[in-house]
Amino acid sequence: GAVVSQHPSWVICKSGTSVKIECRSLDFQATTMFWYRQFPKQSLMLMATSNEGSKATYEQGVEKDKFLINHASLTLSTLTVTSAHPEDSSFYICSAVGLENGYTFGSGTRLTVV
Amino acid sequence: AQKVTQAQTEISVVEKEDVTLDCVYETRDTTYYLFWYKQPPSGELVFLIRRNSFDEQNEISGRYSWNFQKSTSSFNFTITASQVVDSAVYFCALSEDGSGGYQKVTFGTGTKLQVIP
Repeated sequence: GAVVSQHPSWVICKSGTSVKIECRSLDFQATTMFWYRQFPKQSLMLMATSNEGSKATYEQGVEKDKFLINHASLTLSTLTVTSAHPEDSSFYICSAVGLENGYTFGSGTRLTVV
Repeated sequence: AQKVTQAQTEISVVEKEDVTLDCVYETRDTTYYLFWYKQPPSGELVFLIRRNSFDEQNEISGRYSWNFQKSTSSFNFTITASQVVDSAVYFCALSEDGSGGYQKVTFGTGTKLQVIP
């Protein structure tokens, strides 16, 4: 079946630094990738939609300059949290969509900013 | 706009009991997809089922069954003879079928299921 690899699984960083999260479709080409954020004991909220080779579409209230998304190829999308602050601590999860595979979610990244 | 409501925040059952998780959705589209995902404490999302809006046939997979009723906009999930390993947060989700293909998935708030041994 379709597999989406998300790295790192968890990361701790200092306040003010930037963190990059990778989402990679291993055995299919992902025309679209979605990035979600989940606060503790809450649901998944869509942050942005990225299509290969074009700018990401951000949901209302999501700062595009803070959450940089790059979808450089059909198998890789990255989310960079710039100048991270403790309030950015959350669980980030990506979803990749292929023509034949539907939605496949990565295993998530738990970000802790100290 | 699409919306998914899971009214049950937390449910506790004793092992071997049956349990039904409710899901009600709202959408203006005639073509859409409904999903159920399981999220264990480790955090990853485990895909359980996808159903398109034209297929109202109920589905059974082992101890899991799903009841899709368009008339009430519900897509309920039943676990028969629950086990401790079923303890997790369960999310119901909806995706509308846009002209460009797959659209974003909107998640409900989740139901935390605790199965007590």
